[in-house]
Amino acid sequence: EIVLTQSPGTLSLSPGERATLSCRASQSVSISDLAWYQQKPGQAPRLLIYGASSRATDIPDKFSGSGSGTDFSLTISRLEPADFAVYYCQHYGSSPLFTFGPGTKVELK
Amino acid sequence: QVQLVQSGAEVKKPGASVKVSCKASGYTFNKYGISWVRQAPGQGLEWMGWISVYNDKTDYAQKFHGRVTLTTDTSTTTAYMELRSLRSDDTAVYYCARVPTIFGVVIIPNRFDYWGQGTLVTVSS
Repeated sequence: EIVLTQSPGTLSLSPGERATLSCRASQSVSISDLAWYQQKPGQAPRLLIYGASSRATDIPDKFSGSGSGTDFSLTISRLEPADFAVYYCQHYGSSPLFTFGPGTKVELK
Repeated sequence: QVQLVQSGAEVKKPGASVKVSCKASGYTFNKYGISWVRQAPGQGLEWMGWISVYNDKTDYAQKFHGRVTLTTDTSTTTAYMELRSLRSDDTAVYYCARVPTIFGVVIIPNRFDYWGQGTLVTVSS
């Protein structure tokens, strides 16, 4: 079973700053199997990135994903008030079929 | 436009069952799968299971084996999640999400591209 670890647990930043979130897998995974989601309070999650680096429909280019093997990252180039949220990475595997990381909260400093 | 609309909040007693619905519209229902994800208060996302609408193939997280059943009704384009033997720690918001598939197999790269609004299930005596 692949376990996803996200760091940091909380990231305190100011608007305009750059955010870099990490997702580490317990063993090497295919880039096709890694996605990122954003969740704001009281809302359903929203797909941001799939295939480790492909932006979902209507996602602005300030969101970018990268990585391979066991280490993946999500970067938000210039934080805006709407970007303060919790971000989850997610893996597609075999058993279990899908796994989520514990999340990183990006909060206003 | 693609929409997944879930049924309303439920309050159940321990030991009871709950069945949450997820009405899909705006796309060809049997060309995608549906996953169910739950989120306990203040906690992260937990995947529960997946069903292929094309051939009713299912896959459940080990934690829920024997307690959860996923079904679909293609005549009404609705997916269902039934959870039995409810406990207080099943109190959570339950989400359905669309998963691109082809002939019952998850398309790579995988993603949950559209989500329902969530259904709060409260288990309390």
